Amino acid sequence: ETGVTQTPRHLVMGMTNKKSLKCEQHLGHNAMYWYKQSAKKPLELMFVYSLEERVENNSVPSRFSPECPNSSHLFLHLHTLQPEDSALYLCASSQDYFYGYTFGSGTRLTVV
Amino acid sequence: GDSVTQMEGPVTLSEEAFLTINCTYTATGYPSLFWYVQYPGEGLQLLLKATKADDKGSNKGFEATYRKETTSFHLEKGSVQVSDSAVYFCALSNSNSGYALNFGKGTSLLVTP
Repeated sequence: ETGVTQTPRHLVMGMTNKKSLKCEQHLGHNAMYWYKQSAKKPLELMFVYSLEERVENNSVPSRFSPECPNSSHLFLHLHTLQPEDSALYLCASSQDYFYGYTFGSGTRLTVV
Repeated sequence: GDSVTQMEGPVTLSEEAFLTINCTYTATGYPSLFWYVQYPGEGLQLLLKATKADDKGSNKGFEATYRKETTSFHLEKGSVQVSDSAVYFCALSNSNSGYALNFGKGTSLLVTP
């Protein structure tokens, strides 16, 4: 049990589908993050939420839409994705910058 | 801006060999430094951290010392095991840039029996 739970673990979706990734933490952390990890590429920070407000959006295409309804939950809504969006999507949470993050196990997304 | 550079992999070692994975950083102020490990098919796990100069982080036989004079945070282990095969990420966080961690590209380690 890592403290950060992501569902589903695996997802296959067509380019016209709409799906959502879910992340949940019960660590009392006040910041949550979405990262994208593609083969042969560095980890890409997508979104940062601090106290349920989005504080960073790193030029992510609008087909990715985050939602943070409360400090324990974070969603990533997906629609009309492209095959190049296939990757491991990692959620993380933190309490403060010098404690580091706690990561979930990730959702392996395949777009067909 | 802040950045982290770590040695390119893959690194292949025999069991019980000595491991060093180099990491250097560029940052203003007083960043905190981290090593994360990612086992196949899993997310990243915090391996160790150091929050100020000359601190030594250690965990599971791994060590890294925060060297401000050389802006480095090299990961070492005296005797690696097959189970240490994974990808290792050096990372930095800085109060100047809020919460966000800045990751290196990762170094893949394969330990053979």
